[in-house]
Amino acid sequence: GENVEQHPSTLSVQEGDSAVIKCTYSDSASNYFPWYKQELGKGPQLIIDIRSNVGEKKDQRIAVTLNKTAKHFSLHITETQPEDSAVYFCAASGRASKIIFGSGTRLSIRP
Amino acid sequence: NAGVTQTPKFQVLKTGQSMTLQCAQDMNHEYMSWYRQDPGMGLRLIHYSVGAGITDQGEVPNGYNVSRSTTEDFPLRLLSAAPSQTSVYFCASSRDRKVEQYFGPGTRLTVT
Repeated sequence: GENVEQHPSTLSVQEGDSAVIKCTYSDSASNYFPWYKQELGKGPQLIIDIRSNVGEKKDQRIAVTLNKTAKHFSLHITETQPEDSAVYFCAASGRASKIIFGSGTRLSIRP
Repeated sequence: NAGVTQTPKFQVLKTGQSMTLQCAQDMNHEYMSWYRQDPGMGLRLIHYSVGAGITDQGEVPNGYNVSRSTTEDFPLRLLSAAPSQTSVYFCASSRDRKVEQYFGPGTRLTVT
């Protein structure tokens, strides 16, 4: 079945530095790739998404890149701030009517 | 709009008991899904529905049943609770599977 792998599982960066989280997917028919942020005690919330017809998308300090040939996509957060501390999930939606999530990355921002 | 609501917020069950986790949305979304979240394992899809009367299995469906008699409601039934079903359960809804999903606040279930 479809599988999404996410790395790293934990990430600690200095405030102001950049953070990068990477995901790979198995279903070559996948064409929608959202990223969710989950704060403590809450449900995940969408922060950015990308479709397979573009290679990169930016929204202020957040960007996502997609490499369809290699079947991987990445989340980039620049100028990190304390409020960026959270768990981040990537996901992929392919040929079946399913959305499969990665295992999550716990991002900590050091002051 | 209330968005996606889930009840109860917390529940403790004994092994073998059954119960239903409730999920409702008021956004007229066709796509609804149930996930369980366990430490280090992310969000795993249990069951999903693309519209009223249509449901399908996700990654980890065993031990759970769902039904979708209306667009608004998508209850998750645990038939005979087991300690392995101790988890946080999230319901989500969206217009379809390739747009933003809106998640409920979650139900923390403990099976002893």
